[in-house]
Amino acid sequence: DIQMTQSPSSLSASVGDRVTITCRASQGISTSLAWYQQKPGEAPALLIYAASTLQSGVPSRFTGSGSGTDFTLTIGSLQPEDVATYYCQNYDTAPLTFGGGTKVEIK
Amino acid sequence: QVHLQESGPGPVKPSETLSLTCTVSGVSGSRYYWNWIRQSPGKGLEWIGYIFYTGSTNYNPSLKSRVTISLDTSTIQFSLSLRSLTAADTAVYYCARGRYTGEIDSWGQGTLVTVSS
Repeated sequence: DIQMTQSPSSLSASVGDRVTITCRASQGISTSLAWYQQKPGEAPALLIYAASTLQSGVPSRFTGSGSGTDFTLTIGSLQPEDVATYYCQNYDTAPLTFGGGTKVEIK
Repeated sequence: QVHLQESGPGPVKPSETLSLTCTVSGVSGSRYYWNWIRQSPGKGLEWIGYIFYTGSTNYNPSLKSRVTISLDTSTIQFSLSLRSLTAADTAVYYCARGRYTGEIDSWGQGTLVTVSS
């Protein structure tokens, strides 16, 4: 199985801050990586796919980058509604695997 | 807009079989992967498996011996059967649609399944 390792596991930042979350795959997955946002009590929602393509309707302050084994999700200017847990996911090779999540809070 | 809704039994007992159904509405086209994913309380996400619109399946090796996913294309419902339940199977179970390219773009609201005697 491809292991997905996210860091940090949690972070606290101020409104307007730039926030960066990293995800590392245990082997190369090209750009077959997605990012999901899960707000408390809700199902995850797709933010970014193909490592850097923004899902329709997602604010442009969210950006993704990377390929191979190292990926990054950046929130350009953190907003109160961005409080959530963020997960990366490999869909290059089954079994599909998720990172452990990064919980983002407002300072 | 696509909508997915899980339905299931609520509490189940150890050693029993869990049966969940996902009803899909608002979908156009057919080339999708229909997934089951679970999330244990306070934990991360675990992919259980998917069924492609052709009927081919792929399961997580960690659950493969206990899982069956089936699809009714006439009603666009797909189902999960998970056998020999233990407390470790307690989780919120999500059904979700995967695009042909692989990413999961739509999720149901999830249903909590508690395994307890």
